[in-house]
Amino acid sequence: QQKVQQSPESLTVSEGAMASLNCTFSDGTSNNFRWYRQHSAKGLEVLVSIFSDGEKEEGRFTAHLNRANLHVSLHIREPQPSDSAVYLCAVSPNYNQGKLIFGQGTKLSIKP
Amino acid sequence: NTKITQSPRYLILGRANKSLECEQHLGHNAMYWYKQSAEKPPELMFLYNLKQLIRNETVPSRFIPECPDSSKLLLHISAVDPEDSAVYFCASSQQTGTKSNERLFFGHGTKLSVL
Repeated sequence: QQKVQQSPESLTVSEGAMASLNCTFSDGTSNNFRWYRQHSAKGLEVLVSIFSDGEKEEGRFTAHLNRANLHVSLHIREPQPSDSAVYLCAVSPNYNQGKLIFGQGTKLSIKP
Repeated sequence: NTKITQSPRYLILGRANKSLECEQHLGHNAMYWYKQSAEKPPELMFLYNLKQLIRNETVPSRFIPECPDSSKLLLHISAVDPEDSAVYFCASSQQTGTKSNERLFFGHGTKLSVL
């Protein structure tokens, strides 16, 4: 069973400073990784998807994937107070297409 | 995201029967129900592809999904239990993720509170 863990649980960053979130997973054969954002009591918004080792940028959001280290990260450039939300890492196991396994989330707060 | 609509947004129930509805306007073939309990990440409940149920993730039998057509998804709940209090998200994707770059789009969710 794929396990997905995120760190830190919560993070406070000043506006304009880089925010970095981490996610580790247990199954190195996974090939489908996504970062979602969830504002309080709202739906999930996909930020960036990455499928091979290296870097993928979508606007101010950059994901780094290293499957050998079972690690995927999200970096948010020039974060703003409106970026305050819970960020969820999601992994689709290679054997189980159609199912996403989510981490428990990192609560990000951006201080003005 | 107004392309996946869910209703109702909020639902407060005693031990009653009720149905949640979802409709997607993206032309996707696959539709999902996810459950998110308080302080927990979303967990897959059901997955339909082309109106066929292809995944049922050990969900209590009081939850019965229905997919009347490929753009609509229903979740019928009978005799709700307090542990059913959660946000129920509908999602859709073009296919069921057989291509590695498949993306899942989520609705805003229905918040179910069981008294």
